Amino acid sequence: GEDVEQSLFLSVREGDSSVINCTYTDSSSTYLYWYKQEPGAGLQLLTYIFSNMDMKQDQRLTVLLNKKDKHLSLRIADTQTGDSAIYFCAEILNSGNTPLVFGKGTRLSVIA
Amino acid sequence: DGGITQSPKYLFRKEGQNVTLSCEQNLNHDAMYWYRQDPGQGLRLIYYSQIVNDFQKGDIAEGYSVSREKKESFPLTVTSAQKNPTAFYLCASSIEGTSVLNEKLFFGSGTQLSVL
Repeated sequence: GEDVEQSLFLSVREGDSSVINCTYTDSSSTYLYWYKQEPGAGLQLLTYIFSNMDMKQDQRLTVLLNKKDKHLSLRIADTQTGDSAIYFCAEILNSGNTPLVFGKGTRLSVIA
Repeated sequence: DGGITQSPKYLFRKEGQNVTLSCEQNLNHDAMYWYRQDPGQGLRLIYYSQIVNDFQKGDIAEGYSVSREKKESFPLTVTSAQKNPTAFYLCASSIEGTSVLNEKLFFGSGTQLSVL
């Protein structure tokens, strides 16, 4: 079956870059997503990448996709205290008959 | 403003009691979802509905029930059969459901359910 793996915690200093990693198992994944969850709130879509792309940049966010290794990463440049949250990686399968599959989330703590 | 609304924000359940969590959306989305979130376990899918009057079980449907009588509403009942209901429950919606490959979810702000 499909599975999405993330490390549970990441701690960085304010102003440094954060890199959150994700691995997935289904090579037929078409779209891969990053969602952000702030404390006590729902998830918000941050960005997504189509599987035929290697990289996508959106302001401070850079998504890198290594399809051969089934590895996805989210880089946040100049990390701020407001970036402290849980970040979820998610994939949708090419079969299109199942909802998004989420990883367990990486809790990012930003130290001032 | 369009959005997805969950209520209540906090809910307490007594032993043997059924409780219902509300989820309403005015985004005109066809598909709606219920997820359960426990610390360190991420999101687990309880039920989802791709169209009115139809719904499917997710990975952890036991002890839960849903209905989808109206497009904008997808209430979740946590029954007394669910022995460990304490969790954060998230409702979500999407435009067309899983037939669309680029499927972005819009989430409500969640309901924290605790057992008394």
